Amino acid sequence: EVQLVESGGGLVQPGGPLRLSCAASGFTFTIYSMNWVRQAPGKGLEWVSYLSSSTSTTYYADSVKGRFTISRDNAKNSLYLHMNSLRAEDTAVYYCARGAYGDYYMDVWGKGTTVTVSS
Amino acid sequence: EIVMTQSPATLSVSPGERATLSCRASQSVSNNLAWYQQKPGQAPRLLIYGASTRATGIPARFSGSGSGTQFTLTINSLQSEDFAVYYCQQYNNWPPGTFGPGTKVDIK
Repeated sequence: EVQLVESGGGLVQPGGPLRLSCAASGFTFTIYSMNWVRQAPGKGLEWVSYLSSSTSTTYYADSVKGRFTISRDNAKNSLYLHMNSLRAEDTAVYYCARGAYGDYYMDVWGKGTTVTVSS
Repeated sequence: EIVMTQSPATLSVSPGERATLSCRASQSVSNNLAWYQQKPGQAPRLLIYGASTRATGIPARFSGSGSGTQFTLTINSLQSEDFAVYYCQQYNNWPPGTFGPGTKVDIK
């Protein structure tokens, strides 16, 4: 079964760091690009970051550029989101999503992990 | 950045009826348009990509159409499990992969 499982969410103070993880299984992780998408409470979906299968290409939403870093460990079938200088507006459910092979839409999603930024 | 809009914001439909959801892009996205379904407390699920191709396992009552700037998601004979929020997303100009604000389909 194709599966993505996020972890690492929690309560963090403004300005603090947090690292999210996404464990992939049931498919050849190394050949797929990966994304993080978030959803603030009661709001819509916001694409956050993209990482190509080869790790050579990364993209970020303007709202997180310079603060978040996406990475992957293909040996561990894992995707990460390193978040620094967190703000209240970063509070959201963060989803890991697989990029469709050879394209940019997202065909498999994890169940999400919740990040709350508050003092 | 391409801006996606969806209408209506909420659509009230009786079970068994047809629902028609609209999505508009601020500039042409060709046919690089996806639709996702999200039920309360769940992750989004891919329904349609390439504007009109159903994803694996999606029932035939879901259909997508359109190209350029105007797109439509049609759900024929609504089932109870279809009441959800539906998002469109363009992936023609990447990044960012901009989503529309969503259309909530609820029970009339």
